[in-house]
Amino acid sequence: DQQVKQNSPSLSVQEGRISILNCDYTNSMFDYFLWYKKYPAEGPTFLISISSIKDKNEDGRFTVFLNKSAKHLSLHIVPSQPGDSAVYFCAGATGANNLFFGTGTRLTVIP
Amino acid sequence: EAQVTQNPRYLITVTGKKLTVTCSQNMNHEYMSWYRQDPGLGLRQIYYSMNVEVTDKGDVPEGYKVSRKEKRNFPLILESPSPNQTSLYFCASSSGLAAANTGELFFGEGSRLTVL
Repeated sequence: DQQVKQNSPSLSVQEGRISILNCDYTNSMFDYFLWYKKYPAEGPTFLISISSIKDKNEDGRFTVFLNKSAKHLSLHIVPSQPGDSAVYFCAGATGANNLFFGTGTRLTVIP
Repeated sequence: EAQVTQNPRYLITVTGKKLTVTCSQNMNHEYMSWYRQDPGLGLRQIYYSMNVEVTDKGDVPEGYKVSRKEKRNFPLILESPSPNQTSLYFCASSSGLAAANTGELFFGEGSRLTVL
C-alpha cells in the first residue's frame, strides 16, 4: 500500500517558469515531509523538508507547501533552471526508520 | 568530504551466488539503512540500524541480511540471490537527531545489481 503517491511521472517546464511537483499521502501520522532530488547515476540528495505543524517552508528558489486537510504537499521551483532537471521524490517520515517515498516525478526544464 | 560510499557500483551475478554490497560512511552517523529502487515502486527500505549491533527489518527484508559491527560500515548480504533481487540499491545514513525527527538522509551513489 503506497502511503505516499506522486501521480505525475513526468513534468516539462520552460526555463524561467515555475515548476510545481505534487505529492499526496494517506498516513496522517507523518511528522515531516521531505523532498529529495536525484540525478542519473547518483544517489538522492536532500532538498527541503517541512514539519507537519507548518504549511510552508521556503529555501531560495524552492518552496514546499503542505495542506494537511487535503493530505497534499507540493514543491514549487521558481524560476526553473536547466540544472533542476532531475527526478524528484517526496517522502513522509515519522523518523528515519519510518520514511516512505513516492515513486518520483521526472522534471525536465527546457532551455 | 562527507560521503556514503558503496561498492560495487555495478554487479552482474547468477542465481544463488552469495554476494555482499559494502557501505561505509565517514560522518560518524549512528543511523544507517538500505533501500532498493524499482520502477513504479519508488524507494523501499530493506533494513536499518540505529547504532552498532542494533539492526531491524524495513519493508522488504526477505532475502537480505545485514550486520553493524562498526559504526561506519553497514554491509548488505544476499546469501542466495534471485532474479527478483535485480534492482538499484542505495545505502543511507543520518545523525541520531535527524534520524529521530526529520528523516533527512545522506545517500550513497547506488549499486546496480543484476541477478541472472
